Amino acid sequence: KAGVTQTPRYLIKTRGQQVTLSCSPISGHRSVSWYQQTPGQGLQFLFEYFSETQRNKGNFPGRFSGRQFSNSRSEMNVSTLELGDSALYLCASSLGTGAAGAFFGQGTRLTVV
Amino acid sequence: DQQVKQNSPSLSVQEGRISILNCDYTNSMFDYFLWYKKYPAEGPTFLISISSIKDKNEDGRFTVFLNKSAKHLSLHIVPSQPGDSAVYFCAAKGPGSGNTGKLIFGQGTTLQVKP
Repeated sequence: KAGVTQTPRYLIKTRGQQVTLSCSPISGHRSVSWYQQTPGQGLQFLFEYFSETQRNKGNFPGRFSGRQFSNSRSEMNVSTLELGDSALYLCASSLGTGAAGAFFGQGTRLTVV
Repeated sequence: DQQVKQNSPSLSVQEGRISILNCDYTNSMFDYFLWYKKYPAEGPTFLISISSIKDKNEDGRFTVFLNKSAKHLSLHIVPSQPGDSAVYFCAAKGPGSGNTGKLIFGQGTTLQVKP
């Protein structure tokens, strides 16, 4: 069965713009989590969605938002981009909330210039 | 507030020897711990996990040890192979599906296994 699919793989945006990233979880998985990976910071938790509801949220400013659709696909939006938002954004899917052993996508590499 | 810490950014080991990657945590509510491996241009993949009711879990060349009193876990790879060269993340979670149930990751340790 297909794995977690993230689109696009690479993205270059300028400061002040907004961006939307997409994640399609593994078929049957209802939980989608988003992480930001930067050098030296590891994977920072952004938020988790389950059945179209945000269940958990990390310590990121309100410029970072997300949503989940009825088919479990999820989107993450970042508004008013800053240079520091440049990172690898990873999506992970799992069967339920709090499920360990989540499966990750390849990520979207966002560069803000 | 880094609840999960990997204090060694990098580790270099000779092929065939043991690799030991360390991880410390601060939240005593954590009851499940995982290790992920990440190659460049790929997402992290699950490697091995351990529940807080155990102090050791073994899977082939990989063994994870948990010392709850010290809030410390380690991943042992024996023998190390060049294909093990990757970034290793430890992660922890607490019980339930609420805020305590989310996976918290460390900063990662880059392992290089030299032939």
